[in-house]
Formats: sequence, structure tokens, C-alpha cells
Amino acid sequence: QQPVQSPQAVILREGEDAVINCSSSKALYSVHWYRQKHGEAPVFLMILLKGGEQKGHEKISASFNEKKQQSSLYLTASQLSYSGTYFCGTERRDGGSQGNLIFGKGTKLSVKP
Amino acid sequence: GAGVSQSPSNKVTEKGKDVELRCDPISGHTALYWYRQRLGQGLEFLIYFQGNSAPDKSGLPSDRFSAERTGESVSTLTIQRTQQEDSAVYLCASSLFRTSGLEGIQYFGAGTRLSVL
Repeated sequence: QQPVQSPQAVILREGEDAVINCSSSKALYSVHWYRQKHGEAPVFLMILLKGGEQKGHEKISASFNEKKQQSSLYLTASQLSYSGTYFCGTERRDGGSQGNLIFGKGTKLSVKP
Repeated sequence: GAGVSQSPSNKVTEKGKDVELRCDPISGHTALYWYRQRLGQGLEFLIYFQGNSAPDKSGLPSDRFSAERTGESVSTLTIQRTQQEDSAVYLCASSLFRTSGLEGIQYFGAGTRLSVL
């Protein structure tokens, strides 16, 4: 039950905003967001634990709607350094799945000067 | 160490050979995960270890894949009789605990790029 990310890819000009969505068909406990630059390890950005909660990291924020089983990542006034592939990792509400993340296929973000 | 360390960073092997990939987790992290990432794809869960508990092997694609971890230290992922479809980046991650919340945040190594010729 891999979460679905959209869009698959997006190209921005520096300073533009973007939204990346992550949807699951299963009830979720949490959503983790990671960014991976080419040839590097995925880096943790933020974790969303409660319904409707928003977390922020510099000009990157995210929301988590438990009822809709989805999370969105908001990138504001994008910088060149934001380029990379963004992955959401979802943690299901099932007790046996605690701590086990299922990752989406990723959204490739390219920020141009 | 300061972060998750994986070795080798690159491995080229011939079809049918066995390979061993190594992961050194962050000191003090009890949970360790292995993922496979094919070119342009997401992270595919393979196996996870938590302390001395039985590992969760539910993601291993075939019996050619196995992994070991001694206590809360180094882990080795072994692929026997490698096939071309095994070519991918193998990523290791560790977390303080396998739990929901901040203590379950996973920290990744840079990966081992495996190429099977």
C-alpha cells in the first residue's frame, strides 16, 4: 500500500512556490518527509504526527489531514538548494506496522535560476 | 560515528557472484533498516532489525537476500547468486527506536551502488 505522490516532477523558477502531495489508502499515524539530492542519502525534513498539524522547516512546511489520509509539503519562495527528490514515508495506524515506513515513489523538484 | 556509514560505496560484480554490503548505524540507535532504490524509483523496504528482537524480513524479494546484525552494531546485507535485476542502490537507515514519533526518525547512509554485469 505504497502512498501516491503528486506531481511526479515539477520545475520551478527561483522564488516560486510548490506543493507536493502524498496520499494513502490506509489510515495513517504519521507522515515523514525526506529530500534526496542526486547521489546522496535521503535527509529527514519533518514529521507530521497529528491530524491537521503543520510543521515548518525554514520556508518548507507541511500539513497532515488524518481524515483524508494525506499530507502536503509546501515549498515557499523556492531556492536553488531545494532541488532534489522529495519522498513521503507513511506510517500506518496498525499496531504491527508501528515505526515501519512505506515510501512513495518521490517527486523530483528542479529549481532553475 | 556521526552518521550512518555504508561500505563499499560502489560495487561491480558479475552475475552469479555473491556480494556483502555493510552498514554501520549511528551509535546508540537500536533500529536498523535496509532499503533498495532502483534507478528513478522510491525506497523499497527490505528488512529491519530492532535490538535482539526477531528481524522483520517481510520485504526481502527472494531467498537469495539475507541480512544479519549483531546486537545494536554493524549489519551486513548479503545477496547470493546476484542477478542483473539486483542492480540498484542499497540504502541503510537507523533510528533511535522503532517507534512512532521523533524517536523513530530514520537517518540514512549514502548507500552502496550495486551493478551486476
